[in-house]
Amino acid sequence: QSALTQPPSASGSPGQSVTISCTGTSSDVGGYYYVSWYQKHPGKAPKIMIYEVNKRPSGVPDRFSGSKSGNTASLTVSGLQAEDEADYYCSSYAGSNNWVFGGGTKLTVL
Amino acid sequence: QLHLQESGPGLLKPSETLSLTCSISGDSISSDYHWGWVRQPPGKGLEWIGAIYYSGSPYYSPSLRSRVTIYVDTSKNHFSLELSSVTAADTAVYYCARVYCSSSCYLDHWGQGTLVTVSS
Repeated sequence: QSALTQPPSASGSPGQSVTISCTGTSSDVGGYYYVSWYQKHPGKAPKIMIYEVNKRPSGVPDRFSGSKSGNTASLTVSGLQAEDEADYYCSSYAGSNNWVFGGGTKLTVL
Repeated sequence: QLHLQESGPGLLKPSETLSLTCSISGDSISSDYHWGWVRQPPGKGLEWIGAIYYSGSPYYSPSLRSRVTIYVDTSKNHFSLELSSVTAADTAVYYCARVYCSSSCYLDHWGQGTLVTVSS
């Protein structure tokens, strides 16, 4: 059982928008503005997509955006493209130099 | 270009100690980053193990703290993970990663991961 709860799957057609949720508690997601999102393609290393809830590292398309409300963080992928099909994991700081992850969401581009 | 490569035994017996090394190329372990480990059991999500700054004390997940050790070897530009008394529940792909910390921390570069299986 992962500390953060994500839907197992999400899907959308090319060009559409999809939002993936990540629910934690007041001890992690709700308590800090330190949520990050990672993209993982099969057989590849995970890649940081969003950090500090809504910041994008250099090189990440602005089609990826993040937000947070209470104990739930969200990743939105706009203008879906075939290459966005991957697993997405959220992560949150949980205090005392500890981080927690979600169980992952498989995003399918229809 | 930063490259991280995990290495170590892929098969262990219950009660043995897991030992993995992450070799760093394209950066120095003494740079202003932390270095960490994450694992992913088959079919499950990611799990934070812990991390270390080259000149600081390591910090670990509370759930693994009693069994885990992370340390650096600056002369070899690598860092290592030891997990004692392994069981089948420790079977996972283990990733090493560079941890960027400013106001918060996130893992900005990851290794490809190495599968460790615990089986008698």
